[in-house]
Amino acid sequence: DAKTTQPNSMESNEEEPVHLPCNHSTISGTDYIHWYRQLPSQGPEYVIHGLTSNVNNRMASLAIAEDRKSSTLILHRATLRDAAVYYCIPQGGTYKYIFGTGTRLKVLA
Amino acid sequence: GAGVSQTPSNKVTEKGKYVELRCDPISGHTALYWYRQSLGQGPEFLIYFQGTGAADDSGLPNDRFFAVRPEGSVSTLKIQRTERGDSAVYLCASSPGSRGTEAFFGQGTRLTVV
Repeated sequence: DAKTTQPNSMESNEEEPVHLPCNHSTISGTDYIHWYRQLPSQGPEYVIHGLTSNVNNRMASLAIAEDRKSSTLILHRATLRDAAVYYCIPQGGTYKYIFGTGTRLKVLA
Repeated sequence: GAGVSQTPSNKVTEKGKYVELRCDPISGHTALYWYRQSLGQGPEFLIYFQGTGAADDSGLPNDRFFAVRPEGSVSTLKIQRTERGDSAVYLCASSPGSRGTEAFFGQGTRLTVV
């Protein structure tokens, strides 16, 4: 299973963009890169995933480095409801999702 | 449609007792996952089912933990001779079963062993 490195915590002002980085240098060529977030006292929630190309959805954008050793989750306008722990998860042939410690995002009003 | 449902939401049990935790996945999802989460930690993988069979049970910590999914839908996580260290939130997730698809998590069962 690929290992990930994320900052323990980040802060952002409300309505400003947030870039959450993830290093996954041991990822294999066929691993998907998933991002989940977990709000307080809730189960994890899907945010976005990609393989090689950058991806956009209504929640966020995912920028994947050309060598796939890192990716960045982009929240275009942070809101107070985006305060959560964000997990970057490579998903390989074993199908399971291995969570690290994630990045705790604090959004300041 | 309902999401992933886990029951009970809270369970308090005495050390040494047996407990069962239930997970109702989203209808039609072939993949089902169990995780446990201790305070301040990320979810820890326990077991993954594809249909009725356990495709990967490498995360089960010891033989006191067992999970079944006899008809390929509802799953039960069983813990024998509970210990205080088993106290955690147990999370269940389901997905359509292919790589690169979204997994949906339940709200979890908070297990407290006293």
